[in-house]
Amino acid sequence: GAVVSQHPSWVICKSGTSVKIECRSLDFQATTMFWYRQFPKQSLMLMATSNEGSKATYEQGVEKDKFLINHASLTLSTLTVTSAHPEDSSFYICSATDLSGVRDTQYFGPGTRLTVL
Amino acid sequence: AQSVTQPDIHITVSEGASLELRCNYSYGATPYLFWYVQSPGQGLQLLLKYFSGDTLVQGIKGFEAEFKRSQSSFNLRKPSVHWSDAAEYFCAVGAVNDMRFGAGTRLTVKP
Repeated sequence: GAVVSQHPSWVICKSGTSVKIECRSLDFQATTMFWYRQFPKQSLMLMATSNEGSKATYEQGVEKDKFLINHASLTLSTLTVTSAHPEDSSFYICSATDLSGVRDTQYFGPGTRLTVL
Repeated sequence: AQSVTQPDIHITVSEGASLELRCNYSYGATPYLFWYVQSPGQGLQLLLKYFSGDTLVQGIKGFEAEFKRSQSSFNLRKPSVHWSDAAEYFCAVGAVNDMRFGAGTRLTVKP
C-alpha cells in the first residue's frame, strides 16, 4: 500500500511554454500533498504544501504564480510550471500523506525530470 | 528551527562490509525521524522511522537506526552491505506535514 505515482516521468519543453505534472495517490486518500524540487546531487527542497480543496501554501522564495498547484481531489494534485525557462529545469518530486493518522509519514512519487530548452 | 545534518557527503564501502551513515538533528521537541533511500532518477523510499518507544528501530532491507537523544543523532546502520544498496540516503526530521531533509549521503559499494 501507499503508492504514489507521477506523470510524466520526464518531459522536455521549449522555453516559454507551460508544463503540467500530475501526482496521484493510488491506494489511499491523500489529504495533503507536497511538492519538492531537487537539483543534481542536492537534497529535496520543499516548494509547497497542498491540502485537498484549498489553496496551496508556498515556501518562502517560491513563486506561486509560476508554480501553480491544484489539489482538486483526494487522489490528485497537479503542478504546472508556467512560462518555463531553462533555470526551471530540475527533478520535481511529489509526496502524499493522510493526516487522519492512518499514514504517519510521507510517501513519495518516482519524480519527474523537467528539461527546458 | 529544525534542521538535519548529514556530515558525510560520500561514503564508499566494500560489499559485505558494515555500514554506518551519520545523521544529526536540531529540533525543539521530541523529533520524528526518518531515513529514506533514493536510487538514481527515482523518488524516495522510506527505510525506517522513529516516533517514540524503543530507540533501536528496524527497517526494510536489513537496515536499522538508533535514536540517541543525548547526541541528537539518528545514525543508520547495516551489518553487511550489498551492491544493490548503492544509492543516495536522506535523513529527515519533523512532523509528517513539515519534514526537513538532510543534504544526503551517497553510498558507493565496491565489489
